[in-house]
Amino acid sequence: QVQLQQWGAGLLKPSETLSLTCAVKDWSFSGYYWTWIRQSPEKGLEWIGEINDSGTTTYNPSLKSRVTISVDTSKNQFSLRLRSVTAADTAVYYCARGRYGNDYYFDYWGQGTLVTVSS
Amino acid sequence: EIVLMQSPGTLSLSPGERATLSCRASQGVSTKYLVWYQQKPGQAPRLLIYGASSRATGIPDRFSGSGSGTDFTLTISRLEPEDCAVYYCQQYGSSPFTFGGGTKVEIK
Repeated sequence: QVQLQQWGAGLLKPSETLSLTCAVKDWSFSGYYWTWIRQSPEKGLEWIGEINDSGTTTYNPSLKSRVTISVDTSKNQFSLRLRSVTAADTAVYYCARGRYGNDYYFDYWGQGTLVTVSS
Repeated sequence: EIVLMQSPGTLSLSPGERATLSCRASQGVSTKYLVWYQQKPGQAPRLLIYGASSRATGIPDRFSGSGSGTDFTLTISRLEPEDCAVYYCQQYGSSPFTFGGGTKVEIK
């Protein structure tokens, strides 16, 4: 059974950098695209971006200028950094396991981290 | 960007009734890439249906998906109290991958 455990700071001030990490337990990292998704009342569920074990990334164009997703395969972890946050970035952030070969879905999710941006 | 519109916004039905949830895409989506999730309060979304009509592991057979092109449907054949949740469709065929706004299913 795959487990995704995520952590990171939950309260940020405007202009700071959001940083979250997700650890993948009890499953091989290889071959999958590991994903960050956020959810807010205003925007609903929003795909942020993905990374595979080779470090290949794809980002949502709406966030691309501020986002970096990285991977540490030695630790089976991947991370999200979102720079210059504003109140509009307040959301619950999820990590998830994404596409693999011809399978296209998010089947395992982290527990979610509420990130609040407030001065 | 593919926009997914879900309707109705809220569905209020009695146990045992049939629920029909709609997801309409702004452009065609291959069935291979159309996914449905269920989300209960305080929880992450849960995979229900992938490939438009394939049930995920452990999903009861009262949940079914259908459709093609721009119109997709999630059907819950006989509502159970535990089906009270918000249901989202998602497309995985064209980046950025997008979600619909959700349909809330209430049990009377």
